[in-house]
Amino acid sequence: AQTVTQSQPEMSVQEAETVTLSCTYDTSESNYYLFWYKQPPSRQMILVIRQEAYKQQNATENRFSVNFQKAAKSFSLKISDSQLGDTAMYFCAFMKEPSNFGNEKLTFGTGTRLTIIP
Amino acid sequence: DADVTQTPRNRITKTGKRIMLECSQTKGHDRMYWYRQDPGLGLRLIYYSFDVKDINKGEISDGYSVSRQAQAKFSLSLESAIPNQTALYFCATSKRGGQPQHFGDGTRLSIL
Repeated sequence: AQTVTQSQPEMSVQEAETVTLSCTYDTSESNYYLFWYKQPPSRQMILVIRQEAYKQQNATENRFSVNFQKAAKSFSLKISDSQLGDTAMYFCAFMKEPSNFGNEKLTFGTGTRLTIIP
Repeated sequence: DADVTQTPRNRITKTGKRIMLECSQTKGHDRMYWYRQDPGLGLRLIYYSFDVKDINKGEISDGYSVSRQAQAKFSLSLESAIPNQTALYFCATSKRGGQPQHFGDGTRLSIL
């Protein structure tokens, strides 16, 4: 079974600074997908970024980028020029490569609560 | 209108009651999921369905049942609610092929 570990329960950073959230995972699979989701106080679950394990290039979405280290099984999220609206819980999630039998299930980490300080 | 709609948004009920949480989607996705979120535990999968005739247990299915009434509707039932089922429940949908899951706004369920 896959496990996802987020070792930072809480973090805080000043507005406009850069912050990196850590995520490690354990799997014996060679092909898989990794995701970061954001949950603001409104409790919605919002997709931030998606990474395909067979792509070496790190995914980016505007101010959000990842550092994907496949050999180290590490998938950290970097938020540049942080804004007050980035205050949220951030969840890292893992999905195995889909097969004819499904497998398209997400395994989540326990989350990191990020606070952006004005 | 939201693409993935959960009803009710909040519910308070008593131990032993039967509860149904409903989820409908307009995204045309064939995959649907139910998750439970508890503080400090992240989201855990209760049940999932890859099409109308396909229902599968997740990691914490005991005490829950589901029904996929149509491609767009997936309901979660608690046959006899107990206090430790108090949690935030999410429905999600996705396309096939490693695509992201899209979540509803959640149902906060409190069982007294």
